[in-house]
Amino acid sequence: GAVVSQHPSWVICKSGTSVKIECRSLDFQATTMFWYRQFPKQSLMLMATSNEGSKATYEQGVEKDKFLINHASLTLSTLTVTSAHPEDSSFYICSAKLAGSYNEQFFGPGTRLTVL
Amino acid sequence: GESVGLHLPTLSVQEGDNSIINCAYSNSASDYFIWYKQESGKGPQFIIDIRSNMDKRQGQRVTVLLNKTVKHLSLQIAATQPGDSAVYFCAENISGNNRKLIWGLGTSLAVNP
Repeated sequence: GAVVSQHPSWVICKSGTSVKIECRSLDFQATTMFWYRQFPKQSLMLMATSNEGSKATYEQGVEKDKFLINHASLTLSTLTVTSAHPEDSSFYICSAKLAGSYNEQFFGPGTRLTVL
Repeated sequence: GESVGLHLPTLSVQEGDNSIINCAYSNSASDYFIWYKQESGKGPQFIIDIRSNMDKRQGQRVTVLLNKTVKHLSLQIAATQPGDSAVYFCAENISGNNRKLIWGLGTSLAVNP
């Protein structure tokens, strides 16, 4: 149980285009999902906290207009990187908090974004 | 600022030996701790967690120890196997901090056959 999927697993796009990444909790409901980015050999950096049915809470330094987050249901959150640039190339990972748990988070497999 | 740190950035062990990965935290308000394993190119995988009202918790081949006096957390892996090779992160939940996890820097565990 507690499986989280991400789609796509990898994407290559041209500079200036937008990319949408989906995060789904497959067998449980998640009122809260989190989006992280991770650079090589570094730890995870929290970008935003996504609560179902409300606006996401962004961490300091993360542009909300560039990284659009939508959490329309208890099993799906999406992250859209708008007008992507090469410096946005990274590994994006989502996690979902198990409803009813204190803060047990389960992670997706990640999405490798490469912007040319 | 407040952070979770690791004593050892890399750890190399022989297959079959026990591994100990350490983590220091600085926030006394942290009430929940989790160890994650991350293999290359994959998302973190939950290993084991512990609440602050406990000092030890055991799982299958893994044990987490919490010493609140010195703000220290450790992950012990018994009979380490090649499949245990990965980066291990400790993460802390600060009470009242909107369920955000504070992540450590990570320790790379290499298991030699």
